[in-house]
Amino acid sequence: GAGVSQSPRYKVAKRGQDVALRCDPISGHVSLFWYQQALGQGPEFLTYFQNEAQLDKSGLPSDRFFAERPEGSVSTLKIQRTQQEDSAVYLCAAGTSGGDGVTGELFFGEGSRLTVL
Amino acid sequence: AQSVTQPDIHITVSEGASLELRCNYSYGATPYLFWYVQSPGQGLQLLLKYFSGDTLVQGIKGFEAEFKRSQSSFNLRKPSVHWSDAAEYFCAVAPPRSGGYNKLIFGAGTRLAVHP
Repeated sequence: GAGVSQSPRYKVAKRGQDVALRCDPISGHVSLFWYQQALGQGPEFLTYFQNEAQLDKSGLPSDRFFAERPEGSVSTLKIQRTQQEDSAVYLCAAGTSGGDGVTGELFFGEGSRLTVL
Repeated sequence: AQSVTQPDIHITVSEGASLELRCNYSYGATPYLFWYVQSPGQGLQLLLKYFSGDTLVQGIKGFEAEFKRSQSSFNLRKPSVHWSDAAEYFCAVAPPRSGGYNKLIFGAGTRLAVHP
């Protein structure tokens, strides 16, 4: 939606492998969120960036999850030593405001579906 | 803790029939309220949102939602459903702005099927 691209769209990993998921918002998207959507569930918050600053990582489920946005544009979500419970769709959302969803709309990417075998 | 409940996991309606999807939230104060739609293979799309003021909110694609404070509800409605409305619908809340950003709390979703 509105230029938020995610890659890869599908990723199959063996348990224990590291994976990296990429989110590429359009220029000007100050705020960026990562969400995790398990099968049959609604998305759950993982982490929030305002430009390059990671202001909230309270939703990251373990220290195996790491996110970065070094130049305030592209963001990468990295999962180390993947486990089966990490299987989910990982959604990226970006917006032009301070990310409050009040003064500006959040645009969601199509997601990266991770399957851990 | 804040939570969002969508009591109906699946709903099936006939094309042309009316639709109401239920959403209840649990939060100390009135949060910001949203409805999103997710079609297969596509990202979440915002249908409508409520911040304050008129409790009946109009959205895209002919949808509307009504905020009822006394019932802590924000139900989504459409008077006449089209086959293209078949999708998954998510209700979401966010606490009133604090810290300069809001993180959305989503319900589990309601999957809508439309019979011709």
